[in-house]
Amino acid sequence: QVQLQESGPGLVKPSGTLSLTCAVSGGSISSYNYWSWVRQPPGKGLEWIGEISRSGSAKYNASLKSRVTISIDKSRNQFSLNLTSVAAADTAVYYCANTWDVWGKGTTVTVSS
Amino acid sequence: DVVMTQSPLSLPVTLGQPASISCRSSQSLVNSDGNTYLNWLQQRPGQSPRRLIYQVSNRDSGVPDRFSGSGSGTDFTLKISRVEAEDVGVYYCLQGTHWPKTFGQGTKVEIK
Repeated sequence: QVQLQESGPGLVKPSGTLSLTCAVSGGSISSYNYWSWVRQPPGKGLEWIGEISRSGSAKYNASLKSRVTISIDKSRNQFSLNLTSVAAADTAVYYCANTWDVWGKGTTVTVSS
Repeated sequence: DVVMTQSPLSLPVTLGQPASISCRSSQSLVNSDGNTYLNWLQQRPGQSPRRLIYQVSNRDSGVPDRFSGSGSGTDFTLKISRVEAEDVGVYYCLQGTHWPKTFGQGTKVEIK
């Protein structure tokens, strides 16, 4: 069974860049069509950030499109999220998922100086 | 964007009794391939989401058969035939037909 593990800094300064990686284990990242990032602000619901196909084609939520990049690294069996110009509103638990039957445990990112 | 509207947002239920959650989409979720990409997710307190149902009515592996999904087009329902204590949490519908993918607001299920 595929497992996902998010990693990255838990604290990012305002106007900085949030960078997270999702490591895929128990299977090849190329075996699944799409990989997604989802976030959940404290006490709120789920928000789709974007997704990337195994061929490297990415789609993003328009509300974040100018700030977000999702990439895939097949050699390392992982995919990544970069979110630039962060603000307090980007504070959330960030999840990676394989659209949608396997989810990571989530990683909390706080934007604060 | 497709708006997913769930009701109710809070659902107090007696153990052993049935529960039903509605999810309505602002556009049809029937894809050009003929499939309807409507999922139901469960998020227990302190845990990551877990998919229960995909393509309207298909239960994921390991999901108890007391969970069932139904509906078509723009109107969908998740039913729990007999609520158990482990069912406490927030339930989300998620549409995967249109970009951006969108979630419902979530329905909090609690025991009376």
